[in-house]
Amino acid sequence: DIVMTQSPDSLAVSLGERATINCKSNKSVLYGSNKKTYLAWYQQKPGQPPKLLINWAFTREYGVPDRFSGSGSETDFTLTISSLQPEDVAVYYCQQYYGTPFTFGPGTKVEI
Amino acid sequence: QLQLQESGPGLVKPSETLSLTCKVSGASISGSTCYWGWIRQSPAKGLEWIGNFYYSGNTYYNASLKSRVAISVDASKNQFSLRLSYVTAADTAVYYCARQADDGSGTYYNPFDSWGQGTLVTVSS
Repeated sequence: DIVMTQSPDSLAVSLGERATINCKSNKSVLYGSNKKTYLAWYQQKPGQPPKLLINWAFTREYGVPDRFSGSGSETDFTLTISSLQPEDVAVYYCQQYYGTPFTFGPGTKVEI
Repeated sequence: QLQLQESGPGLVKPSETLSLTCKVSGASISGSTCYWGWIRQSPAKGLEWIGNFYYSGNTYYNASLKSRVAISVDASKNQFSLRLSYVTAADTAVYYCARQADDGSGTYYNPFDSWGQGTLVTVSS
């Protein structure tokens, strides 16, 4: 299985400041033949299901604010919230869909 | 607008079978080129993929659960179901049904772009 880890476990950021979340996989999730990176980011607020924010490592879903951005390649990835807003308080998960079983990171809690 | 809604008992006794249904509205499972599946979330294991299926294709399961899990589809009702047998306390979790995005590749190597609200299942006598 591909193991996903995230750091930090939690972080507190002031409103308007940058939040950076890291995700690592123990195997590359870049598929060589199509150059696609099989990595997604989700946001989960209390009592709600995860919401897909970013797929293919850096492509924002429709309607996701552009303050959210994804970067990285192969095994090391970052989710950046450029200017934290109150509605961004949530737990963020990375997930690989390169191979089964699909696996998720343990989550990073973002607070103000 | 696509909606998924899980339903089923919130309490299951140890060694019995957990059965949940996901009702899909706003899209046709049988007419879809997407994969559909189940994911669960618990404090101990976090988010865990259970399995998925393609309506006119195969069903795939997490190997860690494969001997106990079955996913089936009822196209006439536009819903699919999860059965997990011989449950223990470790199976206590919020269970989500979800759709995997369709990138046109015809594969299940896609993220989960729509989720149900989830249903809490507790395993206890």
